Amino acid sequence: DAKTTQPNSMESNEEEPVHLPCNHSTISGTDYIHWYRQLPSQGPEYVIHGLTSNVNNRMASLAIAEDRKSSTLILHRATLRDAAVYYCTHAGGTSYGKLTFGQGTILTVHP
Amino acid sequence: DAGVTQSPTHLIKTRGQQVTLRCSPKSGHDTVSWYQQALGQGPQFIFQYYEEEERQRGNFPDRFSGHQFPNYSSELNVNALLLGDSALYLCASSSYPAANEKLFFGSGTQLSVL
Repeated sequence: DAKTTQPNSMESNEEEPVHLPCNHSTISGTDYIHWYRQLPSQGPEYVIHGLTSNVNNRMASLAIAEDRKSSTLILHRATLRDAAVYYCTHAGGTSYGKLTFGQGTILTVHP
Repeated sequence: DAGVTQSPTHLIKTRGQQVTLRCSPKSGHDTVSWYQQALGQGPQFIFQYYEEEERQRGNFPDRFSGHQFPNYSSELNVNALLLGDSALYLCASSSYPAANEKLFFGSGTQLSVL
């Protein structure tokens, strides 16, 4: 199963960038890195995923280290609606989409 | 376009009883996964269904079983409930059981075992 390490919590001010780190030293060469977030009383929501190259979408950017043992989720301008628990995980080709979640990072955004 | 729907939203049972939770995947999706989320923890993978077969299973006892129907909807059954089964049960769907597929989660069923 995937093993990831994330800070328990982080804080940010509204409209400032947020960099959420994740270590995944057990990742294998074919594993995709996934990020999800969970707002209170909701199921997790997909944020972004990638394999080797940095990825951008409308929600965030994903920066993947060259050795792929770590990644950083970047929220370019945090809003109050971005306050959530952020999970990183990775899944390999034979896992058929089975994701293993750690405890995640609780992001607090201050107005 | 309806997303992943789960029913019921809340459920209270007593120890030893059996429970069935239901999930309808997002339109166009044929793969359903079930997760258990204890309070303050991340979701834990229970199992995944594709083409009406269990494809992957997490570290859960046989008391946890499931089924997928021809319309891709799914059920999670838990027998002989224990207090420790109290949790939020999440259903996730995707268009294929692959490592690069993104999952769409429902809002979950909150199960309380007394």
